[in-house]
Amino acid sequence: EDQVTQSPEALRLQEGESSSLNCSYTVSGLRGLFWYRQDPGKGPEFLFTLYSAGEEKEKERLKATLTKKESFLHITAPKPEDSATYLCAVPAYSGAGSYQLTFGKGTKLSVIP
Amino acid sequence: NAGVTQTPKFRILKIGQSMTLQCTQDMNHNYMYWYRQDPGMGLKLIYYSVGAGITDKGEVPNGYNVSRSTTEDFPLRLELAAPSQTSVYFCASSYRQGSSQSGNTIYFGEGSWLTVV
Repeated sequence: EDQVTQSPEALRLQEGESSSLNCSYTVSGLRGLFWYRQDPGKGPEFLFTLYSAGEEKEKERLKATLTKKESFLHITAPKPEDSATYLCAVPAYSGAGSYQLTFGKGTKLSVIP
Repeated sequence: NAGVTQTPKFRILKIGQSMTLQCTQDMNHNYMYWYRQDPGMGLKLIYYSVGAGITDKGEVPNGYNVSRSTTEDFPLRLELAAPSQTSVYFCASSYRQGSSQSGNTIYFGEGSWLTVV
């Protein structure tokens, strides 16, 4: 069964302390891996899509990388405003030619000043 | 830039009542979705639509109904509300689905918080 697992569930960092979030997946034929950021009381906000192993994308202090089995979201010198829940998702085949996003449970990041 | 707009933001329902969550998008996207998000459970797909007049069940469709009469609108109907439907509901849309090309990014609305008492 297709599955997306994120770790850790929660992460507390001091401001400026770099770290990485992990998203491991098991799908047949990857059709993109998506990263979203979700702030409390808000909808998920799109960050990145990665399509092939070795691909990397960056946005400010965030850098997403992809291998054949997992993706990492690296956070360099985080600031308190980076505090949010980060969600990972992959399209999984749901029958009749349809692919639906399967989401991980997310990593809640807290950056302490 | 409106994107995906949901109403209402908050609603309290009594058990057995019915209501409709409204969703509209202005990006001319073909695909629209309804998800629910429960604490610690991640986002679960309720229903989706591939275009006007076409809808299909997702992972957790029981207790809900949808319709898609226009490209822009995708309302979610809750019939006979139950406490198990207390959740946060997100409407979303995308241009493509499941493609290996760009355009299959799903964009979400701000959410509707529903409590059934």
